[in-house]
Amino acid sequence: SQQGEEDPQALSIQEGENATMNCSYKTSINNLQWYRQNSGRGLVHLILIRSNEREKHSGRLRVTLDTSKKSSSLLITASRAADTASYFCASGRGTSYGKLTFGQGTILTVHP
Amino acid sequence: GAVVSQHPSWVICKSGTSVKIECRSLDFQATTMFWYRQFPKQSLMLMATSNEGSKATYEQGVEKDKFLINHASLTLSTLTVTSAHPEDSSFYICSARDIPVQGAGELFFGEGSRLTVL
Repeated sequence: SQQGEEDPQALSIQEGENATMNCSYKTSINNLQWYRQNSGRGLVHLILIRSNEREKHSGRLRVTLDTSKKSSSLLITASRAADTASYFCASGRGTSYGKLTFGQGTILTVHP
Repeated sequence: GAVVSQHPSWVICKSGTSVKIECRSLDFQATTMFWYRQFPKQSLMLMATSNEGSKATYEQGVEKDKFLINHASLTLSTLTVTSAHPEDSSFYICSARDIPVQGAGELFFGEGSRLTVL
């Protein structure tokens, strides 16, 4: 299966700064989701944006989706040390909800 | 939110042995569960879709005889790595979809199971 590309692969910032991660995908999607993974742990769902939506907010998170460019971005505002984790985008395929294609991930480090 | 539990969270075994990993939805019923594999510092790769009461659907390149999946009830799916070898060492993560009254249902992930084959 094709994997999405994420950039940057690693991002290091100071607490209070904003963090922006980008994701590109290759096939048509029904939705795009962002997940967080702490080292060695499972995934935590952050936000889902549907293919007919362009922007979505949830707390300090802002996600955009550009289906013409097959890309999405995740913005974390006012970052905290606790935001340190790997972040993955995942695109939903076809009609099988839950069958996800994951991007390569961005490792975010927020320094206190 | 709903909870998906995986057991064991980590396991070390010798080459040639078989290892079973359980994925349970603790407070909801899941007709469909998904098994992913993740190598260190890499992304998740979907291995198979597990459907309650029927055979699992495997992704291209995944050996069904190597990775046996059983979904015998609405709350339990198991992944058995048969005759494990060191290259099977990985982090295995399951996810489960609840059965909603309306809509597509939400997807929940387990905490993962780390397999190390010596």
